[in-house]
Amino acid sequence: QVQLQESGPGLVKPSGTLSLTCAVSGGSISSNDWWSWVRQPPGKGLEWIGEIYHGGSTNYNPSLKSRVTISVDKSKNQVSLKLTSVTAADTAVYYCARAGYYSDGGGFAHFDYWGQGTLVTVSS
Amino acid sequence: DIVMTQTPLSSPVTLGQPASISCRSSQSLVHSDGNTYLSWLQQRPGQPPRLLIYKVSNRFSGVPDRFSGSGAGTDFTLKISRVEAEDVGVYYCMQIAQFPFTFGGGTKVEIK
Repeated sequence: QVQLQESGPGLVKPSGTLSLTCAVSGGSISSNDWWSWVRQPPGKGLEWIGEIYHGGSTNYNPSLKSRVTISVDKSKNQVSLKLTSVTAADTAVYYCARAGYYSDGGGFAHFDYWGQGTLVTVSS
Repeated sequence: DIVMTQTPLSSPVTLGQPASISCRSSQSLVHSDGNTYLSWLQQRPGQPPRLLIYKVSNRFSGVPDRFSGSGAGTDFTLKISRVEAEDVGVYYCMQIAQFPFTFGGGTKVEIK
């Protein structure tokens, strides 16, 4: 059973950098899956931030692209998110999620596994 | 960006009765590989989202068969054949056909 666990500071100052890590257990980050970050402001809907493949290929939401970096550390089996120049609008629960590849003909399933999420508040 | 519009916003349902949620996309979700990439997610109160349906109608592992997805092109539907108490939550459709991936605004299913 694949498990994802986000971690990082719960409070970031305005104009600072938000840094989060997603530790993957029960599966390899080097499998044929894509790893995404999704966020949810309190009481609101979901927003896709971006994704990465273990080889390093990334796709980002254009609305955040200038401020986002997603990376993978295969030795630690984890994915990281960095978001720079944060404002109060970046306050949200941040989730990591997997788009799993099913070789039995199912193809990609978005998003089959999710972390529990971590709340990041941007405030001075 | 592809805009995903869900209706209704809220769906009060009697236990044991069916529920239906509609999702319409501003563009076709048929990918160049021939697949239609539309997922349905369930988010129970205080929980992360959970995948119910992927590629329009494929029920994910462990999802009860009272959940079903259908549709094509730009119009999609999630149906719950008989609502149970554990089905309370917010349901989201999501498109993965084109970057950036986008979500519907959510439909809240509650018990009457």
